[in-house]
Amino acid sequence: DAGVTQSPTHLIKTRGQQVTLRCSPISGHKSVSWYQQVLGQGPQFIFQYYEKEERGRGNFPDRFSARQFPNYSSELNVNALLLGDSALYLCASSLRHRGETQYFGPGTRLLVL
Amino acid sequence: DQQVKQNSPSLSVQEGRISILNCDYTNSMFDYFLWYKKYPAEGPTFLISISSIKDKNEDGRFTVFLNKSAKHLSLHIVPSQPGDSAVYFCAAPDTSGTYKYIFGTGTRLKVLA
Repeated sequence: DAGVTQSPTHLIKTRGQQVTLRCSPISGHKSVSWYQQVLGQGPQFIFQYYEKEERGRGNFPDRFSARQFPNYSSELNVNALLLGDSALYLCASSLRHRGETQYFGPGTRLLVL
Repeated sequence: DQQVKQNSPSLSVQEGRISILNCDYTNSMFDYFLWYKKYPAEGPTFLISISSIKDKNEDGRFTVFLNKSAKHLSLHIVPSQPGDSAVYFCAAPDTSGTYKYIFGTGTRLKVLA
């Protein structure tokens, strides 16, 4: 069975640009969560979606937005990129939004210059 | 406020010996804990979990111990193998609202051949 897939694997952008990251969950999983991991830290929660509805939002500015599609895939958008947005962006899927183990994709490494 | 803490950023162990990775938490409402392993350029891989109604859970070479009174959990790897060299994160699902995972900062394990 395919695991969580993310695209692209790497991305280089410049300050002020916009970026869209994509995630396909494990087949049958209806919940997708997004995390940001910077070097030396654990993943930090950004968003959670379940059945196409936002179920949680972390402490990130409004420049960050996300959505979930009818096939349960998800996109994370970041506008007006800052140097500090450089990080590994991880997508995790689970069967439901509560009480189920989250399984992570390989991540998208974003570098903002 | 760091609710999940891993105070040892790194650990080196000889192949065949026991590796013990520690994690402390501050929120007594946490009722479930997970360990993830992360290799460079990959996403975190789920390793083992434990419910707060148990004090031990085993899966092959991996055992997690939970001491609720001390708000402490540990991951034991016996015997350690060079392929175990990775960064290990402990995590707990938030119990207040979203089911986001709260991660520690990770411990880099190096198993020496």
